[in-house]
Amino acid sequence: NAGVTQTPKFRILKIGQSMTLQCTQDMNHNYMYWYRQDPGMGLKLIYYSVGAGITDKGEVPNGYNVSRSTTEDFPLRLELAAPSQTSVYFCASRAEGSSGYTFGSGTRLTVV
Amino acid sequence: QQPVQSPQAVILREGEDAVINCSSSKALYSVHWYRQKHGEAPVFLMILLKGGEQKGHEKISASFNEKKQQSSLYLTASQLSYSGTYFCGTEYKTNAGKSTFGDGTTLTVKP
Repeated sequence: NAGVTQTPKFRILKIGQSMTLQCTQDMNHNYMYWYRQDPGMGLKLIYYSVGAGITDKGEVPNGYNVSRSTTEDFPLRLELAAPSQTSVYFCASRAEGSSGYTFGSGTRLTVV
Repeated sequence: QQPVQSPQAVILREGEDAVINCSSSKALYSVHWYRQKHGEAPVFLMILLKGGEQKGHEKISASFNEKKQQSSLYLTASQLSYSGTYFCGTEYKTNAGKSTFGDGTTLTVKP
C-alpha cells in the first residue's frame, strides 16, 4: 500500500499564479484533510472532507479551494498565490472511528 | 480552539524520562499524538478516547484525564531516536472528525 501520496514535493510559484496540489490515498478512508505548517509551528487545518462530495472549511481556508469527487482524491487549489501561502502542505486521511491520521510526505511551496 | 502543549521544548540525556502535556479549554472527544522528525511528515503514535484510558507504544505511553481536559505523553528511558517534535491533536464533542493540533513540543535527546 502506498498510503497517502502527494505531488509535487516542491514547487516555486510567482505571486498571482495558481496551482493544484494533488493528494491520493489508497486505504479507502472516508476522511481526508489538508493542513499547512509554517516553520516552527503546528498544523493548521485548511479544508477537510468526510466523504466523496462533502467538503468543509477549516481554520485557514482563505485563498484555497478543494473538491472531493472520489474517495481516493482530494486536490487543493491555490488561486492567486501570495507570499503568505509559502508553507509546507500536508494531506492526511483517516478511517472512521478511533484511528489516527496517515500523512502524506508533504509539498514544500514557496511563493516569490 | 487550539490545544495548549507544554513544555515548548525539552532536552534530555539518553535514559531519562519526559512528560509532555496537552490541555484543552473545551470538552474533549479524543486526543491523538504524533512525532515529527525534521523535514518529514508527522507519524501517528496513539489515540485516546474519553474515559481516562492509558495506552502504550514501546516505551511511550499516554493518558487522558477527562475531568481536567488534558492528555499527557510519557516517554520513559528515552532513546536518541525519540528526538523530534511531538504534536497532540484534539477532537471535540461538537466537531468529531475534525482535529486541531497544538504547536508542538520539541524533544532533543543527547547521548
